[in-house]
Amino acid sequence: EIVLTQSPGTLSLSPGERVTLSCRASQSVSNRYLAWYQQKPGQAPRLLIYDASSRATGIPDRFSGSGSGTDFTLTISRLEPEDFAVYYCQQYGSSPYTFGQGTKLEIK
Amino acid sequence: QVQLQESGPGLVKPSETLSLTCSVSGGSIGSYYWNWLRQPPGKGLEWIGYIYYSGYTKNSGTTKYNPTLQSRVTISIDTSKNQFSLNLNSVTAADTAVFYCARSGGFNYHLDFWGQGTLVAVSP
Repeated sequence: EIVLTQSPGTLSLSPGERVTLSCRASQSVSNRYLAWYQQKPGQAPRLLIYDASSRATGIPDRFSGSGSGTDFTLTISRLEPEDFAVYYCQQYGSSPYTFGQGTKLEIK
Repeated sequence: QVQLQESGPGLVKPSETLSLTCSVSGGSIGSYYWNWLRQPPGKGLEWIGYIYYSGYTKNSGTTKYNPTLQSRVTISIDTSKNQFSLNLNSVTAADTAVFYCARSGGFNYHLDFWGQGTLVAVSP
């Protein structure tokens, strides 16, 4: 099983700031099959990025993903108030599909 | 736009079977992978498994489960109702979670459409 470790656990930031979230895998993620999801309280996760760097339909271009192998990042270029949420990475290259433990973005 | 909706009891007794159904609207259930996931309160996401229906044999699909749950899980599909279901047997309090159904567009694919989730508590 591939273990995904996200860092940091919590980030306190202000709107307008740039942020980079990290997701590190215990072994290489095949074909860059890594996704990022955003989850707000009481809601289902929402797909942001798939295949490490492709934006999902309707996702603003301030969200971008990069990485390969075992190291992946999600960057939000300029935080909007609605971006404060929990972010999860997920690998779907090998079963069982696994998630990181999440990074919480909170308003400073 | 595909929509998914989970339904089922919100409370299950320990040692019994948790049963949930996901209803799919706005698209066919054929040729996609249909997943179940769960999220214990305040914790992260866990993939439970999927069923893939190729469209050739009615109500028959290929399944894959998380090894940690494989001995207790069954996922099935009802193509006539555009629904798929989750059975998790011998539940304990540790199985209390929000359960989500979600679609993936293919094998080794991301989860592009999710249900809103349903909370199932395991308690006497």
